[in-house]
Amino acid sequence: NAGVTQTPKFQVLKTGQSMTLQCAQDMNHEYMSWYRQDPGMGLRLIHYSVGAGITDQGEVPNGYNVSRSTTEDFPLRLLSAAPSQTSVYFCASSRGGPAYNEQFFGPGTRLTVL
Amino acid sequence: ELKVEQNPLFLSMQEGKNYTIYCNYSTTSDRLYWYRQDPGKSLESLFVLLSNGAVKQEGRLMASLDTKARLSTLHITAAVHDLSATYFCAVNFGNEKLTFGTGTRLTIIP
Repeated sequence: NAGVTQTPKFQVLKTGQSMTLQCAQDMNHEYMSWYRQDPGMGLRLIHYSVGAGITDQGEVPNGYNVSRSTTEDFPLRLLSAAPSQTSVYFCASSRGGPAYNEQFFGPGTRLTVL
Repeated sequence: ELKVEQNPLFLSMQEGKNYTIYCNYSTTSDRLYWYRQDPGKSLESLFVLLSNGAVKQEGRLMASLDTKARLSTLHITAAVHDLSATYFCAVNFGNEKLTFGTGTRLTIIP
């Protein structure tokens, strides 16, 4: 099993550009989520999905879109990048929601917006 | 408001010493997770604590959960350099989300 994979590992964008961060898992997990990690702030939940076709907002959803067309993939779209979105982004997955299941994290994408 | 607070934020300790990291949370929960993160790396699951009084141990690390006090502790025994990392607690408040603490950056000094 590859576990949770994320691409790209690093990305530099200019303000206003759009891009998609890819996340995939091969563990047949129903639950997937996106976090951003900023210095001194821990991880903050952006969006999550409890299954294909179902997504919901987390703590900091503004400026990001998600969709979940398959169980395996959960891409995160930045619509118009801003410097405030400079961060490290982690995707995670688990068999069910975090009430009963530990989450497995991908390697992260380090994004810089100039 | 759903909040998770860790202290200390930074901790330098000598090899061989014992210390405890604290994780307080704002409202009822009986689902708490501890993660470790090495610099530039992803998060690695350490412990899952699922009930009041739960205690789990792995090597020099021991985690406990007191749901009445809304407190979890991560105790380090006889620290070694390999334990240098950032440690996060994360709490589920009965919804579909995990709320993370700000992390404790632990540095073990020879």
